Amino acid sequence: GAGVSQSPSNKVTEKGKDVELRCDPISGHTALYWYRQSLGQGLEFLIYFQGNSAPDKSGLPSDRFSAERTGGSVSTLTIQRTQQEDSAVYLCASSLKMTGGDEQYFGPGTRLTVT
Amino acid sequence: SQKIEQNSEALNIQEGKTATLTCNYTNYSPAYLQWYRQDPGRGPVFLLLIRENEKEKRKERLKVTFDTTLKQSLFHITASQPADSATYLCALVHTGGFKTIFGAGTRLFVKA
Repeated sequence: GAGVSQSPSNKVTEKGKDVELRCDPISGHTALYWYRQSLGQGLEFLIYFQGNSAPDKSGLPSDRFSAERTGGSVSTLTIQRTQQEDSAVYLCASSLKMTGGDEQYFGPGTRLTVT
Repeated sequence: SQKIEQNSEALNIQEGKTATLTCNYTNYSPAYLQWYRQDPGRGPVFLLLIRENEKEKRKERLKVTFDTTLKQSLFHITASQPADSATYLCALVHTGGFKTIFGAGTRLFVKA
């Protein structure tokens, strides 16, 4: 079946603008993660969703960042009033169930550039 | 604070040799440790999972060890091939939680 898809693949925006990044997880996967990867760095955890449980937002770097997951499927990560330091690749991943340690399937990422 | 360290220097080896990558962690009690491969411009791809009560796991040419006393995992690729060239990330999942913490990765180059 189809893997995790993300859109857009690239986004260039001006400082101060809002952006929305979309993630379509693998059908049937109940867990969804968002990460941020800066050049040469590891993945920085942002947020995860599991079924109908409250999301773990502990990794969001500021209140300019928010995410939602509608109908237990598609997720949108929103960054308000973007700053240059927000420039990075934003990766989404999904996994089948949240028993811990389940392999995560990653999308190709959205490269965000804030000018 | 919790910290994961992977060798930031690239590892260069000759085809056919065994590549060994290291992941060290501090102030952490992971229930699971995972290894992923990441190619340029792509998302990571899962390779292996090892649990805290397991010492070693193998899959084809891959072998992972997990020493919770040393707080270290070693990742081995035997009979390495140029196609194994990529960045390898280790990731820890805490006991009782699901937030996954990734290391920065080690770049591996296998020369023909």
